Order: sequence, then structure tokens, then C-alpha cells
Amino acid sequence: GAVVSQHPSRVICKSGTSVKIECRSLDFQATTMFWYRQFPKQSLMLMATSNEGSKATYEQGVEKDKFLINHASLTLSTLTVTSAHPEDSSFYICSARGQGETQYFGPGTRLLVL
Amino acid sequence: ELKVEQNPLFLSMQEGKNYTIYCNYSTTSDRLYWYRQDPGKSLESLFVLLSNGAVKQEGRLMASLDTKARLSTLHITAAVHDLSATYFCAVGYSGGGADGLTFGKGTHLIIQP
Repeated sequence: GAVVSQHPSRVICKSGTSVKIECRSLDFQATTMFWYRQFPKQSLMLMATSNEGSKATYEQGVEKDKFLINHASLTLSTLTVTSAHPEDSSFYICSARGQGETQYFGPGTRLLVL
Repeated sequence: ELKVEQNPLFLSMQEGKNYTIYCNYSTTSDRLYWYRQDPGKSLESLFVLLSNGAVKQEGRLMASLDTKARLSTLHITAAVHDLSATYFCAVGYSGGGADGLTFGKGTHLIIQP
């Protein structure tokens, strides 16, 4: 089956620093990748859609200068949280879609900003 | 704005019983997904429903889609403890250059022996 990995699985950083999260599709090419955020005991909220070789499309209310997305290849997308603050602490989950309609989700990255 | 409502949000049931989770959505869509999430984990894809009247079954779970009513159901038959998890429905949409999923709030399911 389709496998999506994320790295790191958890990260703790100081307020004001930047954190990069990688999302990789391991056994298929993902023309589109998605980034979601999930707060404790809440649902997933789509942050942005990432297409290989083009700029990401951000959802309303998501700051594109704060959450930098790069989709450099058909198997890799990165999310960089710039100048992180405690309110950015969350569970960040990526998903990848290949040829079909199914989105395959990564294991998630738990970010804690102190 | 696309809205997805699930109910119930919390469900405690006994093993061996049947129950249904409902997912209503507000605008036209032809892609409906069901996912399972265990505590602290990511999402596991259960079903993808792409057409009106679609019905899919896997083990004790069965999902259906009625696009005219904008309703999907996830039916659990003879529940077992291992099915305890949070279940999300999500609706696909396209527009404005974005192409993502809008999730319901999830149904936290506890199955007791």
C-alpha cells in the first residue's frame, strides 16, 4: 500500500525559532500533497495544498509567510514554521495523493513551542 | 463554505451491538472519505465513496453515500473492542486553486466488553 512518512515525529523548540517538517511519499509519486493541523481533541484543518513545482495554495486565515511550503519533487514536500510561537504548538499531518482519489496520511509531527 | 457535520460526536456502546454514524455536508461534492484515528496516531483510510448510491464494506464496517441527501453513513455491525477509535468523515472539494478535504469533528467511539 501507499506509504507516507514524516520527519521528525516530534519536535520541541524555543519561541522565535523555525522548524522544518518533511513529508515523503515512499512508494508512489504524489502530484499533490496537503498539510493539515490538528489541535488536541479536535478535527483536522486543511492549511494548504502543495503541488509539485508550483506555489502552494493556502486556506483562508493561514499565513503563507509563516508557514512556508516547498514541494520540490514528486515525493517530497516540506513545511517550515517560521518564528514559531507557543500557539503554533499542534499536531501537523501531511497527506499525499497519487493517481487516484485517496489521500494517504503521514504519521504526523507533534510540535511543541516553548 | 463547505460544512461537514458528524453525529454523534461521542458514542459508547457494548460489544455485539450495531450502530450508525452519520455525516452530513452542506454543498455538492462527489468525494466522501471515512478515516479512523487511534489516540496519538495519524489517520487510516477506511473508505472512499465517489458516486451516489456507493456502498463499501470492510469487515464489520460498511459505508454508504447519498449525494442527493448529502449524507453518508458508517454502519458498525456486531461491534468489537478493537473498533474503538475516533472516526472522521471528510468531504472533498475543488475550487479557488485548492483541492483539499473538509473534515467533520469526528466521532469518538468506545466499545465496551
